[in-house]
Amino acid sequence: GIQVEQSPPDLILQEGANSTLRCNFSDSVNNLQWFHQNPWGQLINLFYIPSGTKQNGRLSATTVATERYSLLYISSSQTTDSGVYFCAVEGLSGNTGKLIFGQGTTLQVKP
Amino acid sequence: DGGITQSPKYLFRKEGQNVTLSCEQNLNHDAMYWYRQDPGQGLRLIYYSQIVNDFQKGDIAEGYSVSREKKESFPLTVTSAQKNPTAFYLCASSFLPGQRFYEQYFGPGTRLTVT
Repeated sequence: GIQVEQSPPDLILQEGANSTLRCNFSDSVNNLQWFHQNPWGQLINLFYIPSGTKQNGRLSATTVATERYSLLYISSSQTTDSGVYFCAVEGLSGNTGKLIFGQGTTLQVKP
Repeated sequence: DGGITQSPKYLFRKEGQNVTLSCEQNLNHDAMYWYRQDPGQGLRLIYYSQIVNDFQKGDIAEGYSVSREKKESFPLTVTSAQKNPTAFYLCASSFLPGQRFYEQYFGPGTRLTVT
């Protein structure tokens, strides 16, 4: 099945710094989503981005489907950005909606 | 408000007991999903359903059962056959795959502890 790898596994930033999180996937995808899991466990939808570029405030994402990777950019980070960021994909061969999750990037933003 | 609700938030059970986790959505989504998350890990799919009275096994269905009698509801039963039931359980819903914008939305989760 499709493999999803996220890097880096852990990231510590000072407030105000910028960061880039990466998601590599092993096959073509129908669906790619980025989530932020807050300290209470809630998964917050950040982007639905199987291809192209999107921006939402201080966050933006780019997926290069032909090269099988996606990037999540966080600018001017805030302490509330702390948590775990997940990339999840659905392979092109499936039509089930089944998402395969990466292991996540744990971000800590220090004041 | 539209959204996905899960109850209870925390659940404690003794080993050998079955337990049912509730998931309800009012987003008019056809598809619903159950995932399991273990500490420090990503989510893994347990079961999913695209239509009432039909559901499919995911990657880790052993020891779990589901029902889909109503479009809005997709309860998960963790049976005594599940060897390591202690985990964080998340329910999700979406429009059907193939439709535009079928991104999945997640409920707040249920933390199950079995001792």
